[in-house]
Amino acid sequence: AQSVAQPEDQVNVAEGNPLTVKCTYSVSGNPYLFWYVQYPNRGLQFLLKYITGDNLVKGSYGFEAEFNKSQTSFHLKKPSALVSDSALYFCAVRDKTNDYKLSFGAGTTVTVRA
Amino acid sequence: GAGVSQSPSNKVTEKGKDVELRCDPISGHTALYWYRQSLGQGLEFLIYFQGNSAPDKSGLPSDRFSAERTGGSVSTLTIQRTQQEDSAVYLCASSLVPSEAFFGQGTRLTVV
Repeated sequence: AQSVAQPEDQVNVAEGNPLTVKCTYSVSGNPYLFWYVQYPNRGLQFLLKYITGDNLVKGSYGFEAEFNKSQTSFHLKKPSALVSDSALYFCAVRDKTNDYKLSFGAGTTVTVRA
Repeated sequence: GAGVSQSPSNKVTEKGKDVELRCDPISGHTALYWYRQSLGQGLEFLIYFQGNSAPDKSGLPSDRFSAERTGGSVSTLTIQRTQQEDSAVYLCASSLVPSEAFFGQGTRLTVV
């Protein structure tokens, strides 16, 4: 069985400070990993993915994430947060042994204060 | 089309009525997913399709829920005898495996 955990329901940071949103996963094989963002009253937008290759992946809006196989983590980071980054963030995983099934974490609400 | 299209965008129905929600995926995408999201909450997995087959229906909340996909394209999620707890936003997504999934804007279902 595959699963994703986002241990923090909420993350609050000041504008200009680093932002980290945590994600850990569990799969039986090797993972494909994704981050999505949902702004208020909007659909889910894809941010970035890890499929293979370099463990550090860069995505939209200045976000990046690092795949850490030993810690089974894929934390989302942004060096300097903006108020406009306030949104709901979801981590998702596919297992390479069953690469159709896509499982999401519960989501983390990020609030960036001015 | 350019993206995943869902219809209707909003649906208000009376308790006990049946509803059909439609999803038009991106052309050529083999995988199709249905999720449900209550206000400001996470994504509840309902079902996914590989082509026209649904290997995992474990997320369907009850036997009032069913889904089908025809021609490897359009999918319909049907809810029979709707209940107030069915009120939510129903999201559809499609993808080429193993790439990222693209989401539609959702159908907001309100059962009154």
